[in-house]
Amino acid sequence: AQSVSQHNHHVILSEAASLELGCNYSYGGTVNLFWYVQYPGQHLQLLLKYFSGDPLVKGIKGFEAEFIKSKFSFNLRKPSVQWSDTAEYFCAVNYRNTDKLIFGTGTRLQVFP
Amino acid sequence: DARVTQTPRHKVTEMGQEVTMRCQPILGHNTVFWYRQTMMQGLELLAYFRNRAPLDDSGMPKDRFSAEMPDATLATLKIQPSEPRDSAVYFCASGPTGTYEQFFGPGTRLTVL
Repeated sequence: AQSVSQHNHHVILSEAASLELGCNYSYGGTVNLFWYVQYPGQHLQLLLKYFSGDPLVKGIKGFEAEFIKSKFSFNLRKPSVQWSDTAEYFCAVNYRNTDKLIFGTGTRLQVFP
Repeated sequence: DARVTQTPRHKVTEMGQEVTMRCQPILGHNTVFWYRQTMMQGLELLAYFRNRAPLDDSGMPKDRFSAEMPDATLATLKIQPSEPRDSAVYFCASGPTGTYEQFFGPGTRLTVL
């Protein structure tokens, strides 16, 4: 079955620390990959996406992600987090035979000043 | 700044009552999705439409839930009768066909007493 795994359920960091959130997906052919962020009490917003081309994708707010096809991974990174990055982060995969997005279970990030 | 809108934003009702949630997708978007988010289950896809036609409602409890798109500017999700276990945040999302990106609405927070 098509699935997405986010292994980090809860991450706690201090401001200025570096961040890497893991995302792995099950094989299912060609994929499109997304990271969404959900700030407390708000809806999901797109951080970045990968469809093709350069596997290192830059998104908003200093986030980036790297698609490693051989590892079926699309990890999210940020060199220096801020308190305002406190949120839940969702990885999502679209398998190109469907309109649907398969979401991971999310990673809750808490950043302390 | 085009956005998905949802009404109501909050709904408190008693068990057994009918609940109708509404979504206005972004103009020109051909796909519409309904999700349910809970702490226990995370983000679950309930149903989705392409060009107003229902394509997949396998995630939806058929006995009490129904989803429709009466026209291109309105999607509805109805629960009848509602139960306490239906308490969740219900998100609508829309997207242009072929891009696989989804734009989320602010959600309806439903509480069934």
